[in-house]
Amino acid sequence: GENVEQHPSTLSVQEGDSAVIKCTYSDSASNYFPWYKQELGKRPQLIIDIRSNVGEKKDQRIAVTLNKTAKHFSLHITETQPEDSAVYFCAATTGSFGNEKLTFGTGTRLTIIP
Amino acid sequence: KAGVTQTPRYLIKTRGQQVTLSCSPISGHRSVSWYQQTPGQGLQFLFEYFSETQRNKGNFPGRFSGRQFSNSRSEMNVSTLELGDSALYLCASSLPPGLPTDTQYFGPGTRLTVL
Repeated sequence: GENVEQHPSTLSVQEGDSAVIKCTYSDSASNYFPWYKQELGKRPQLIIDIRSNVGEKKDQRIAVTLNKTAKHFSLHITETQPEDSAVYFCAATTGSFGNEKLTFGTGTRLTIIP
Repeated sequence: KAGVTQTPRYLIKTRGQQVTLSCSPISGHRSVSWYQQTPGQGLQFLFEYFSETQRNKGNFPGRFSGRQFSNSRSEMNVSTLELGDSALYLCASSLPPGLPTDTQYFGPGTRLTVL
């Protein structure tokens, strides 16, 4: 099947604390896992991605971890700031070779409390 | 480089009408994917075009169709509009060879309201 589940659907974090968003996928052939940030009224923007040949990737305050055995991947934001408030979407490639597409999770609304 | 552009940005239609939305990818990008975004449903994949050919299709009824031109610009059409078609329609483009494993860049979307 082709399914990506994302949790939690909403998350409130005190400014300066860390936020973690988790996704699970069902397609064992999935090999690319991007994360998008969508601010209110704006387009989704890629913030980080990871491919199946690595287990972790960092970019300043943002990191993504991937556990292919358990079929889950997570977004970690450290030292959160008010501008981190947005909806975050995870995604995974699904489908057979030559017919792959991105399947998105349903999103996590992250609110940073000043 | 200019980003992905979509026209129109807002559209109001009535049930039964049809609508055509347009997407211009980033220069040099040959793959265009379309998504429907509704509250609570996230981004649902509609279809993907690469080199004027539909390469993949999501689980939407046949009322939803699309095409891609030789300059990689893409259009999607929805016929016989229903109230449930109200949504933000996003397109995304990616570099050659245009596989989903390439970074997808989104346009600003077209907000369609069906009355």
